[in-house]
Amino acid sequence: AQSVAQPEDQVNVAEGNPLTVKCTYSVSGNPYLFWYVQYPNRGLQFLLKYITGDNLVKGSYGFEAEFNKSQTSFHLKKPSALVSDSALYFCAVRDMRTLGNEKLTFGTGTRLTIIP
Amino acid sequence: KAGVTQTPRYLIKTRGQQVTLSCSPISGHRSVSWYQQTPGQGLQFLFEYFSETQRNKGNFPGRFSGRQFSNSRSEMNVSTLELGDSALYLCAISSGDGDTQYFGPGTRLTVL
Repeated sequence: AQSVAQPEDQVNVAEGNPLTVKCTYSVSGNPYLFWYVQYPNRGLQFLLKYITGDNLVKGSYGFEAEFNKSQTSFHLKKPSALVSDSALYFCAVRDMRTLGNEKLTFGTGTRLTIIP
Repeated sequence: KAGVTQTPRYLIKTRGQQVTLSCSPISGHRSVSWYQQTPGQGLQFLFEYFSETQRNKGNFPGRFSGRQFSNSRSEMNVSTLELGDSALYLCAISSGDGDTQYFGPGTRLTVL
């Protein structure tokens, strides 16, 4: 079985400061890892993914994430937060062994608030 | 980047009724997945269709069903609605390489 943990329900960051949203995962095989963002009354918007290769992946809107296999983590980061980054962020995992099975398992989400 | 539309965007039903939600990929995508999002349970996988066949199913009761048509459009149906079915229902399609799912705006279902 696969699972994702987002240990922080809420993260508050001052505008201009770096931000980190934490995610740890558990899968039987090698993971496909994703970050999505959700704005109020909207669907999920894809930010970035890790499939294989470089452990640091860059995505939309200046976000990046670092895959750490030994710590089974995939933390989302941004060097300088904007007020417009305030939203709900979801980490998701898919087991590479289950190719042909598109099921994503999501974390519970982290609400990010950027304080002006 | 793929696109998907969902209709209707908002829906209000009463307990015991049934409802059908629609998901239409803008361009042809063979894989369509459905998820339910609630404040209490978060995002949960409902089912996935690939080339009109259900390929995977989550842990939902049989009241939840779906189908996919030859043009890749998908519908999900919930029969005998319960208050707990109130949720945002999200449809997702896979990118061309199959790695990434792109989500539609969702249908907000309220059961009274």
